[in-house]
Amino acid sequence: DGGITQSPKYLFRKEGQNVTLSCEQNLNHDAMYWYRQDPGQGLRLIYYSQIVNDFQKGDIAEGYSVSREKKESFPLTVTSAQKNPTAFYLCASSRQAKNIQYFGAGTRLSVL
Amino acid sequence: KNQVEQSPQSLIILEGKNCTLQCNYTVSPFSNLRWYKQDTGRGPVSLTIMTFSENTKSNGRYTATLDADTKQSSLHITASQLSDSASYICVVSEGSQGNLIFGKGTKLSVKP
Repeated sequence: DGGITQSPKYLFRKEGQNVTLSCEQNLNHDAMYWYRQDPGQGLRLIYYSQIVNDFQKGDIAEGYSVSREKKESFPLTVTSAQKNPTAFYLCASSRQAKNIQYFGAGTRLSVL
Repeated sequence: KNQVEQSPQSLIILEGKNCTLQCNYTVSPFSNLRWYKQDTGRGPVSLTIMTFSENTKSNGRYTATLDADTKQSSLHITASQLSDSASYICVVSEGSQGNLIFGKGTKLSVKP
């Protein structure tokens, strides 16, 4: 998992609730990413950030929001607008946007 | 459409045997191809990264090949161990913007 820490490892969301997944890295990487992984599917990009205070939508950004106030941190909020949030969420970082990505251990989100 | 197809979807082998996983892609322009190993419930870990000019790259018992003409890659695992049981994900980086296209992975089970 390198220097990327995701928390919590497991998270449960109630109907209509927003939940926030934490991602912290101590690798001094500029770029950070959030992916969603569903069984039998490849990873899909939710949001990415190439630099502090800047981020872009990925392929499946609807129902999610992010912030990048610090270089080390890239939290992901799963909002109530995301109707099917149950999945394994992976955070990654890279030195720059096109460099190899290092992944955290993931957060498994389930709906109560 | 940029796609990465992996085969087989799953594979069971006996400990000590060799195996080869396949990856075909239609990504253009091509930048590089990466193989990741993902243990169950964990984040992916990079095994190799190959650029256009590289045909073969090894990492211990793992050897990746790339044929950029036919747009095919393989990952060969020699003398498999129980700890090789994992999903192996092929990822191709698209050249112009560095977008990553993920395969769905091959789930390898090594039995004693």
